[in-house]
Amino acid sequence: NAGVTQTPKFQVLKTGQSMTLQCAQDMNHNSMYWYRQDPGMGLRLIYYSASEGTTDKGEVPNGYNVSRLNKREFSLRLESAAPSQTSVYFCASGGHGVDNSPLHFGNGTRLTVT
Amino acid sequence: QQQVKQSPQSLIVQKGGISIINCAYENTAFDYFPWYQQFPGKGPALLIAIRPDVSEKKEGRFTISFNKSAKQFSLHIMDSQPGDSATYFCAARAVSGGYNKLIFGAGTRLAVHP
Repeated sequence: NAGVTQTPKFQVLKTGQSMTLQCAQDMNHNSMYWYRQDPGMGLRLIYYSASEGTTDKGEVPNGYNVSRLNKREFSLRLESAAPSQTSVYFCASGGHGVDNSPLHFGNGTRLTVT
Repeated sequence: QQQVKQSPQSLIVQKGGISIINCAYENTAFDYFPWYQQFPGKGPALLIAIRPDVSEKKEGRFTISFNKSAKQFSLHIMDSQPGDSATYFCAARAVSGGYNKLIFGAGTRLAVHP
């Protein structure tokens, strides 16, 4: 039972480089999310997808794009990485809907931009 | 603007002691208040949650106390153990555009010393 799988686990980029963070869930959830975690700032929502084919901006979307490829997969793309994007990125699915089911998080991608 | 304020930022407790983490919110539209626990190198996982029509919820050594009039809620960990050492996030849920949005506090790093 994999849950939410993120790749890669670690990545180092140079300023201006691009990359895509991959996320897949096997729990048949409609909603998926991308968060970033920074010291002292908790988890901040970057983008979310309430269902396949839809995406919306969260609190901190600038510098990022997303694709909801199908119900299972939700990717996050950095087109031109900046040092301010150094962070730990978490993908999640589920989301405390009417049945109060929890968010299920992956184990994160630790990204360093130099 | 931090909609959910969490304190303290870090906490050291002796084994067997009580750990207390506090959160406060402003938005009265929040309707569900979960706590997430995160171990190093892992994603957060749901620990316990409460609805605002309940003043207290207990699950084993973990208790949420909720004060609706003060817009405050807290997590109490009784008989704290070294295995409880982790980062704890409070959160609050609001429905926005048909989407259940979780707002997280900044996190509390708990260390339980033997």
